[in-house]
Amino acid sequence: AQSVAQPEDQVNVAEGNPLTVKCTYSVSGNPYLFWYVQYPNRGLQFLLKYITGDNLVKGSYGFEAEFNKSQTSFHLKKPSALVSDSALYFCAVRDGDGNNRLAFGKGNQVVVIP
Amino acid sequence: ETGVTQTPRHLVMGMTNKKSLKCEQHLGHNAMYWYKQSAKKPLELMFVYSLEERVENNSVPSRFSPECPNSSHLFLHLHTLQPEDSALYLCASSQATSGYTDTQYFGPGTRLTVL
Repeated sequence: AQSVAQPEDQVNVAEGNPLTVKCTYSVSGNPYLFWYVQYPNRGLQFLLKYITGDNLVKGSYGFEAEFNKSQTSFHLKKPSALVSDSALYFCAVRDGDGNNRLAFGKGNQVVVIP
Repeated sequence: ETGVTQTPRHLVMGMTNKKSLKCEQHLGHNAMYWYKQSAKKPLELMFVYSLEERVENNSVPSRFSPECPNSSHLFLHLHTLQPEDSALYLCASSQATSGYTDTQYFGPGTRLTVL
């Protein structure tokens, strides 16, 4: 079964500094990878996804993620963090081998310090 | 975020009550999902409906009963819940494809508290 690991509970970063949120995955087939963000008292908002093609995927709000097959990783990045980026970030993976289930990580709390 | 709406946003109920959560999607999608979100745990998939047929039921206790009358509406009927069922219940929808590359779009959730 597919699974996702988000190893850090919380990521603290100063405003204006680069932001990285880590994600590693496990699947038996080809991975379809997603990042979502959740603001307080809100549902999950889709940021970006990797299906195939270019390993660097660009998404909403200036975020991007890099697919690394050899390291089974899909880290989320933003060159310059904003205070408004403070939120809970979820990585998710679907196994392209015919399983429609989307497996989520436990989430990373990002705190951007002014 | 207005593509998927959920009501009510907050619900407090006793263990003997019966209540229902409602989800509506305005995106023209053909699949809908119920998830349970508990603090510091991965989202738990509860039910999946595709073309109004239940295609997945992840060993959810029978005190949770889903209903999908059409492709735009999804309900979660609750009865005799336990305090450990307190959580944020999220609804999502997607345009399911045979290649499983579809993106799920989420509603704002219903914060459920069971006393």
